[in-house]
Amino acid sequence: GAVVSQHPSRVICKSGTSVKIECRSLDFQATTMFWYRQFPKQSLMLMATSNEGSKATYEQGVEKDKFLINHASLTLSTLTVTSAHPEDSSFYICSATQGNEQYFGPGTRLTVT
Amino acid sequence: GQNIDQPTEMTATEGAIVQINCTYQTSGFNGLFWYQQHAGEAPTFLSYNVLDGLEEKGRFSSFLSRSKGYSYLLLKELQMKDSASYLCAVRDSNSGYALNFGKGTSLLVTP
Repeated sequence: GAVVSQHPSRVICKSGTSVKIECRSLDFQATTMFWYRQFPKQSLMLMATSNEGSKATYEQGVEKDKFLINHASLTLSTLTVTSAHPEDSSFYICSATQGNEQYFGPGTRLTVT
Repeated sequence: GQNIDQPTEMTATEGAIVQINCTYQTSGFNGLFWYQQHAGEAPTFLSYNVLDGLEEKGRFSSFLSRSKGYSYLLLKELQMKDSASYLCAVRDSNSGYALNFGKGTSLLVTP
């Protein structure tokens, strides 16, 4: 199947700093990618839909100025968590669609101290 | 919006069969997916149903009834490695084709 990568896999940052997470589709082009967040023992919650060449669409309750999404090419979307706080600590997962299947990246574990 | 319900936890014995149910409500149904997720890892795709009926894939089968808003995932010949969380997800055409996930069913396979 298709492969989606994420970088970094783990990151620890101090409160108030910003962190960028990259999501790449390695062997296919993805005009649309999705960003999810998963807190411990909870399911994945959709944060935003990333559209190549246009603005991302954010879900209700997700601050677009805090979670900046850039989908500059057909294989790369980035999520920047700005001014991170401890409550932003979570597992961030991206996905990309090919046909009827949605492939997930391996996730990024963010810890804000 | 959607309401996706699945049991929180299930336990089954190695070699047995287990059925994990999922019910949903959505206005723009465009497919139902099952994913497996081990702790600390990303979900891996198991199955996709968009039409009513049973889809079989090796030890895993998934069933869909659109009129009832119901699906199940059937796991046969359970192995210890099948202990994981199983996520039911619905794709909604009104939500840009993103997936909306249920809370997941944590399956424990015992010897």
